[in-house]
Amino acid sequence: AQSVAQPEDQVNVAEGNPLTVKCTYSVSGNPYLFWYVQYPNRGLQFLLKYITGDNLVKGSYGFEAEFNKSQTSFHLKKPSALVSDSALYFCAVRDNTGRRALTFGSGTRLQVQP
Amino acid sequence: DVKVTQSSRYLVKRTGEKVFLECVQDMDHENMFWYRQDPGLGLRLIYFSYDVKMKEKGDIPEGYSVSREKKERFSLILESASTNQTSMYLCASSLDLMQGAANSPLHFGNGTRLTVT
Repeated sequence: AQSVAQPEDQVNVAEGNPLTVKCTYSVSGNPYLFWYVQYPNRGLQFLLKYITGDNLVKGSYGFEAEFNKSQTSFHLKKPSALVSDSALYFCAVRDNTGRRALTFGSGTRLQVQP
Repeated sequence: DVKVTQSSRYLVKRTGEKVFLECVQDMDHENMFWYRQDPGLGLRLIYFSYDVKMKEKGDIPEGYSVSREKKERFSLILESASTNQTSMYLCASSLDLMQGAANSPLHFGNGTRLTVT
């Protein structure tokens, strides 16, 4: 079985400050990890992914994420938040065998204050 | 650019009605998925399909069925709508995950907000 936990329902940060959105996962094999963002009244948009290789992956809009195998975490980060980053963020995982579908976390709402 | 189109943005149906949610993708993707999104629960997988006429149950298939007669179209069917099926429904597609494109991201439609009264 595969699962994802996003422990924070909401994260508040001031514009210009660094942000972190947390994600931990559980899979039976090696993980494929993804972050998606959802703006109001829209579907989800792909941000970045970790498949293998460098533990720090860079994605769209200046976001990056750090894979930590020992802590089974894949936290989303950005050095300097923008008001326009305010949205709902989802972490997702699948293992590298068997099931083809992603399992998503419950989502974290990021609020960036001007 | 990949486009996933869901035929309705908003739907209001009555309890007991048969409801069809339609999804079309234009990128020749093998895989298609139906998720429902509820506050605090994130996205939960209802059904997915990895080929025409093939389907697999997701985590919450009860009360739903699907149809994939053509590669580009994946329909979600609520056989007899109930109020607990009021939700946002999201369709997605991706390249085949088992043939070298295992890292292929999902491409989502804008969603159908279904209300069952």
